[in-house]
Amino acid sequence: DGGITQSPKYLFRKEGQNVTLSCEQNLNHDAMYWYRQDPGQGLRLIYYSQIVNDFQKGDIAEGYSVSREKKESFPLTVTSAQKNPTAFYLCASSIGPGADYGYTFGSGTRLTVV
Amino acid sequence: SQQGEEDPQALSIQEGENATMNCSYKTSINNLQWYRQNSGRGLVHLILIRSNEREKHSGRLRVTLDTSKKSSSLLITASRAADTASYFCATDANTNAGKSTFGDGTTLTVKP
Repeated sequence: DGGITQSPKYLFRKEGQNVTLSCEQNLNHDAMYWYRQDPGQGLRLIYYSQIVNDFQKGDIAEGYSVSREKKESFPLTVTSAQKNPTAFYLCASSIGPGADYGYTFGSGTRLTVV
Repeated sequence: SQQGEEDPQALSIQEGENATMNCSYKTSINNLQWYRQNSGRGLVHLILIRSNEREKHSGRLRVTLDTSKKSSSLLITASRAADTASYFCATDANTNAGKSTFGDGTTLTVKP
């Protein structure tokens, strides 16, 4: 079955610690995206990548970093510079630009600062 | 700034009734998408409607788009308890090629 896998499902971060969220897809999609969702709110775009070895900042990129070394993988690092990282993080992929083709989402990672 | 905004924020109906959710947006779009999110899960794509289309159907779902009013509606007919979820619209502004902006969603509760 093709799909998009996020891990871990739950993640706890201590103050000042960097953590990395994994996102892997076997759909052969070119584009991948990271969104942040806070309770009762919609999705806000953190970073996106339309092709391997290239990525762009979204609306709330500060305190986050990404890499796109392989087509299948788009990990997100939440750095200590992100002052309010507790949120639900969603990774998505699309065969082309997501706005034109629609997104396939992973099941999310819930990050909590302890 | 928010591009798509759903209305109402919350909707509670009885099983078998129809549910209508609306999405308004501010700037011209190429297309508009609707997604469903069950609690604590990822989003599931429901329908994409392009700016030159006025209506699309998929099973019990009917989506309309009125570009003159910059609004869309999602109708779920003969609702079921399993339709309980949050529903989001996503729009692309013509200047944001490839990216979508999501609204805050409508939370639908279908009572058995």
